Amino acid sequence: DTGVSQDPRHKITKRGQNVTFRCDPISEHNRLYWYRQTLGQGPEFLTYFQNEAQLEKSRLLSDRFSAERPKGSFSTLEIQRTEQGDSAMYLCASSFVRTRDEGNEQFFGPGTRLTVL
Amino acid sequence: GQSLEQPSEVTAVEGAIVQINCTYQTSGFYGLSWYQQHDGGAPTFLSYNALDGLEETGRFSSFLSRSDSYGYLLLQELQMKDSASYFCASGAGSYQLTFGKGTKLSVIP
Repeated sequence: DTGVSQDPRHKITKRGQNVTFRCDPISEHNRLYWYRQTLGQGPEFLTYFQNEAQLEKSRLLSDRFSAERPKGSFSTLEIQRTEQGDSAMYLCASSFVRTRDEGNEQFFGPGTRLTVL
Repeated sequence: GQSLEQPSEVTAVEGAIVQINCTYQTSGFYGLSWYQQHDGGAPTFLSYNALDGLEETGRFSSFLSRSDSYGYLLLQELQMKDSASYFCASGAGSYQLTFGKGTKLSVIP
C-alpha cells in the first residue's frame, strides 16, 4: 500500500498526558498537512510542511501542540497536557505541488482517533 | 477568513441525480475542491475547479461560478455506495484547505 499511513489508529489517554502521532506520507510528495476533524464537521487545518520546513500554523494550534517533519519524510504531531477538548480525529494528508492548482488535491490518511478521558 | 456553506443533509433515490450546492465567502479565493468521506473513512479527492464552468469525471461533475461565489457537485446515476459526506473546500491564498461542514448524502432504494 503506497497511500498515506498514520499510527496509531486509535489512542485513549487521560487528561494531562502527552500523546504523539505519526504520519507517513506518499513518498514522492513534498507537502504534508495536519487537520483535525470532530463529529459532524469538516476537517480543520492545523499546520503544513513543505519538505522539512513548517510553513504555516493555524490559530487552532495552541502552544501545547507541536509538529515536526525531520528530513522531509514522516511527520509527528505531539499534544502535551491533553485536554478533553482535544478529543477528535487527527488527519494527515500529503500532496505533490509544483503549481498552486495541484495543492488542492490532497491525499488523506485514515486518521488517528484521540479520546481524552 | 473563509467560510463555505453547504446543506447539512440530502436524500436521493438510487439511479437519480443529486446536486450539492456550496456558497463561499473568502478573501483571495483560489478554486473549489470537492471531497467524499464515508463514515469512518478518510476524505478522498473528487474534483477541483480553478476556473468557471463544469468539470466532468465519470458520474461526478463539479461546477464553479466565481461571480456568484457558488459551486456545486452533481452526482448522476446514484448508487448506494455514494452514501457518504461530501465536502466543498477552498484553497485560497496558501495551500491549506478550508472545508465546509459537509453534506451527508443518503441514497435510498
